[in-house]
Amino acid sequence: EAAVTQSPRNKVTVTGGNVTLSCRQTNSHNYMYWYRQDTGHGLRLIHYSYGAGNLQIGDVPDGYKATRTTQEDFFLLLELASPSQTSLYFCASSPWGGADTGQLYFGEGSKLTVL
Amino acid sequence: KTQVEQSPQSLVVRQGENCVLQCNYSVTPDNHLRWFKQDTGKGLVSLTVLVHENDKTSNGRYSATLDKDAKHSTLHITATLLDDTATYICVVGDRGSALGRLHFGAGTQLIVIP
Repeated sequence: EAAVTQSPRNKVTVTGGNVTLSCRQTNSHNYMYWYRQDTGHGLRLIHYSYGAGNLQIGDVPDGYKATRTTQEDFFLLLELASPSQTSLYFCASSPWGGADTGQLYFGEGSKLTVL
Repeated sequence: KTQVEQSPQSLVVRQGENCVLQCNYSVTPDNHLRWFKQDTGKGLVSLTVLVHENDKTSNGRYSATLDKDAKHSTLHITATLLDDTATYICVVGDRGSALGRLHFGAGTQLIVIP
C-alpha cells in the first residue's frame, strides 16, 4: 500500500503568518497533488507536480506556492495566510497522471486554522 | 458550477441494512468515475473505479454501477457495519491522461447506528 505522510497534522496561525505544509511519499510516484477540502465542497486542486523541480497550477492557486524538491517531497507554502485559507489540506500521489484510471493515494490531511 | 452532485447529503441506517448512494455529474468528457471512502479525520481511500458504459463493479459488500448516457453512478453497500460510517466521495476524471482533471463531489455522509 502506497504511503503518503503529511505534516503537521494540525496547525494554527494568525493572519499574515507564514505556513509550510509538508508531504512525503515513499513509493517513487511521479505525480503529487495538493488539495483543499471545505465543508459543502468537493476537493479542490491547488497545485500539482509531475516530478522533482516541476510545478503545475491547479484550479485554486491564489495565495499558495508549492515546491517539489525531490521525487518524494512536495511542499505547500502560504506566505501571508488569511482566514479564507482555513481548511483541511490533503496531499496525494499517483504513479501516473491522477486523471487516468491509475490509483490515487491520499495522506491523512493537515488541518490549518488561520485566526 | 458544481459538476458532480451527490445525494443524499447524509444518511442514517441501522447496522445490517443496505443503502444506496447516488452520483450525478455533468463532466464532459467522462473518462472514468471512482468512489472513495473517507473516515472522519482521515484521507480518502479508493473503493472502486468504473470506466466503461454500463460498467458494474463489486468489492466485497460494495458494488457500483455507471450509466454514462445518464451520467449517473450508484454505490450500493450491503449489510452495513458500524465501520461503514464515513463520507463517500464520487470523483469523475475527464481524460485518460495527465492533462485531465479530477472533479470531486462534496460527498454523502453515512452514519451506521447499532
